[in-house]
Amino acid sequence: EPEVTQTPSHQVTQMGQEVILRCVPISNHLYFYWYRQILGQKVEFLVSFYNNEISEKSEIFDDQFSVERPDGSNFTLKIRSTKLEDSAMYFCASTWETNEKLFFGSGTQLSVL
Amino acid sequence: QQQVKQSPQSLIVQKGGISIINCAYENTAFDYFPWYQQFPGKGPALLIAIRPDVSEKKEGRFTISFNKSAKQFSLHIMDSQPGDSATYFCAASRGLTGGGNKLTFGTGTQLKVEL
Repeated sequence: EPEVTQTPSHQVTQMGQEVILRCVPISNHLYFYWYRQILGQKVEFLVSFYNNEISEKSEIFDDQFSVERPDGSNFTLKIRSTKLEDSAMYFCASTWETNEKLFFGSGTQLSVL
Repeated sequence: QQQVKQSPQSLIVQKGGISIINCAYENTAFDYFPWYQQFPGKGPALLIAIRPDVSEKKEGRFTISFNKSAKQFSLHIMDSQPGDSATYFCAASRGLTGGGNKLTFGTGTQLKVEL
């Protein structure tokens, strides 16, 4: 089965630094998402992206966050100035149709020190 | 109103037994209810999903029961196996009326199936 690929699997950064989390969605998918999971807590929606623009974002997704699809294969999440509370597992997900099965990557564990 | 409440937080079942996980939602606009399975170090993977036009859906050993009037749905795992040991999340979204795949997740249930 095709997979969503995320890199790196672990990222450690200092508070205030910028980080970019990278994802390669499944090739024929058109809808892209970022979710996050703080350790021991539920998975939370961050943002959805379609046709090169944000479709919807949560209250977590403030001005420090941005997403981009710089080419035909990558989908990135940038956190401009990381905070301690940004420490979480970040999952990229994609699907070919908005109401269909969502495929998640294995995640990037972000640790902000 | 966006919450999905899930119980129990953890569950231990003997091999061959039935595992039952329950969820309740408040937002009546939700119309897509998936269950995700997550193994350590992996992302959630869709297990089974239901839409509110049916009260039950079965796929192999996994069954979703859905009670629209009570705003509750549950996952039943029949003949539970040690390989089913994982964290299970219920979720909900306004799949048919917009907002599809903006999933609201429950808090998760850690299932352990013992030999």
